[in-house]
Amino acid sequence: DQQVKQNSPSLSVQEGRISILNCDYTNSMFDYFLWYKKYPAEGPTFLISISSIKDKNEDGRFTVFLNKSAKHLSLHIVPSQPGDSAVYFCAATGYNNNDMRFGAGTRLTVKP
Amino acid sequence: DGGITQSPKYLFRKEGQNVTLSCEQNLNHDAMYWYRQDPGQGLRLIYYSQIVNDFQKGDIAEGYSVSREKKESFPLTVTSAQKNPTAFYLCASSIDHRTYNEQFFGPGTRLTVL
Repeated sequence: DQQVKQNSPSLSVQEGRISILNCDYTNSMFDYFLWYKKYPAEGPTFLISISSIKDKNEDGRFTVFLNKSAKHLSLHIVPSQPGDSAVYFCAATGYNNNDMRFGAGTRLTVKP
Repeated sequence: DGGITQSPKYLFRKEGQNVTLSCEQNLNHDAMYWYRQDPGQGLRLIYYSQIVNDFQKGDIAEGYSVSREKKESFPLTVTSAQKNPTAFYLCASSIDHRTYNEQFFGPGTRLTVL
């Protein structure tokens, strides 16, 4: 059962514009959420995270928003750059890392 | 230069053969994980180990086996009992098993069973 869903398999945006990647989850026990970025032929790398006590976390061009009532989180990239082109995975977990659940990923393409 | 290495990058095997995927980390992490990725699906946990000489089954452990004899190493064996072994396999580690510790991933091994 897919407890974490990324419903958009791909997204294309113009350089300089905002990229918004979305993620939905079903398990109300999740209290920590992460975004990973993956380039071809490489493993995923951690990008940004948010705990359930917050509704926003910002790191440079990357901001993650959490709406607990809707069980929804989103990643905003502003401004988008061609180097941001990658697959982005959303992940959610409870107390233990071994309970982490991943979405299927969204492939972001930023066009120059 | 710390990190996680997986070898080989690509692996081809005949049906019915066991195959072992290597995972080594020099990050001094206690916890290690094996995931499987199939097209259109998220990463699914096969096995995890919170400490040396201990490991637990994840969501899809059937047809797989692991060992954790050394802190740095967590090899995964795909046995002939695994019905559909062709997939992309990712190894990861974290400082320990608790949340708020990000997982660091290796580059992955793509296994194709012919």
